[in-house]
Amino acid sequence: GDSVTQMEGPVTLSEEAFLTINCTYTATGYPSLFWYVQYPGEGLQLLLKATKADDKGSNKGFEATYRKETTSFHLEKGSVQVSDSAVYFCALSDPGGYSTLTFGKGTMLLVSP
Amino acid sequence: EAGVAQSPRYKIIEKRQSVAFWCNPISGHATLYWYQQILGQGPKLLIQFQNNGVVDDSQLPKDRFSAERLKGVDSTLKIQPAKLEDSAVYLCASSLEPVSGNTIYFGEGSWLTVV
Repeated sequence: GDSVTQMEGPVTLSEEAFLTINCTYTATGYPSLFWYVQYPGEGLQLLLKATKADDKGSNKGFEATYRKETTSFHLEKGSVQVSDSAVYFCALSDPGGYSTLTFGKGTMLLVSP
Repeated sequence: EAGVAQSPRYKIIEKRQSVAFWCNPISGHATLYWYQQILGQGPKLLIQFQNNGVVDDSQLPKDRFSAERLKGVDSTLKIQPAKLEDSAVYLCASSLEPVSGNTIYFGEGSWLTVV
């Protein structure tokens, strides 16, 4: 079945550091890929998405590129802020089913001033 | 545009008691989802509705969980009787239609603690 694997957290960075959170997936067909963010005490918010190979999703300084050859969708940001501290979830939506989301376990990011 | 509304936000119950959660999706969204998020894990789909019909409930523990979406709008998720392992956040979400690539919008969640 479909699955998403994310790097273990927490990831601890200083403000203005470069961020990478790795995400790889297993799916039949060609899924759409998503990054969701969950701030403390809140629900999930869509951060960015990509629906086909080589697409780059971007939002709020975050970027991720859909790499079919490596089945990856790594999240990057050039300069993190304290306000980016949250849990980040990678997810996929398989077009062959009912297009529900399959999530990774999440990666907590902690940014210190 | 109003987002996905859920209530109650927080609930503490004793094991073997019952609880119900309510969800109002974004206006016009035909697809509604209930996810369960256990602490430290990613959300897991419990049930998906298309209008007022169920399209996927394969991971819903039907001996204790039930859900309905009358009139294809609001939905309720019920747990009876609750177990300790049901302690989790219950997330309601909605989308225009179940097409891969469509954005799924989540509510803030209903936090359940079973003691």
